[in-house]
Amino acid sequence: AQSVTQPDIHITVSEGASLELRCNYSYGATPYLFWYVQSPGQGLQLLLKYFSGDTLVQGIKGFEAEFKRSQSSFNLRKPSVHWSDAAEYFCAVEGGYQKVTFGIGTKLQVIP
Amino acid sequence: GAVVSQHPSWVICKSGTSVKIECRSLDFQATTMFWYRQFPKQSLMLMATSNEGSKATYEQGVEKDKFLINHASLTLSTLTVTSAHPEDSSFYICSASGTGETYEQYFGPGTRLTVT
Repeated sequence: AQSVTQPDIHITVSEGASLELRCNYSYGATPYLFWYVQSPGQGLQLLLKYFSGDTLVQGIKGFEAEFKRSQSSFNLRKPSVHWSDAAEYFCAVEGGYQKVTFGIGTKLQVIP
Repeated sequence: GAVVSQHPSWVICKSGTSVKIECRSLDFQATTMFWYRQFPKQSLMLMATSNEGSKATYEQGVEKDKFLINHASLTLSTLTVTSAHPEDSSFYICSASGTGETYEQYFGPGTRLTVT
């Protein structure tokens, strides 16, 4: 069975600082990987996805993620965080039959 | 493109009543739709997967008689919570997937259900 681990439940960064959110996955084959962002009371917005090819994936809002097969990781990064980035971030892996498993989420707080 | 809507965005109902939530793909044909629930401060948990014209496949632990899913057309799926109880209060999110360029899952904005 597939699984996703987001080891950081809550992260606080200063506005303008760099950000890295960690994600580790478990899946027997080559995974499809996603990062989503959710603002309070809202649905999910896709930030980026990895299906194959280049392991460094560019997404919206200045985010990027790097797929590292040897580490089973798909960490999300942003070089300079804005106050509007404060939200909950979910890493997800898609396995067979389009079944998507989400991590528990990382809540990002941005301080001025 | 690839927009998914849900209706209503929030609903309050009394214990024992039933409530229906709609999920629509607005600009593509959704061959498969998925229903998730999210408890406060928790992740999304897949409840069921439905293919158009077929019975839904429920995840382990999800009561199919309580959470009725209908996917009668390529643009509409409904989730009916029957005989709702306060513990059914949650945030329900659907996603829809088509074919070809719309193969990935596109998520709706969610429906907040509160059972009093």
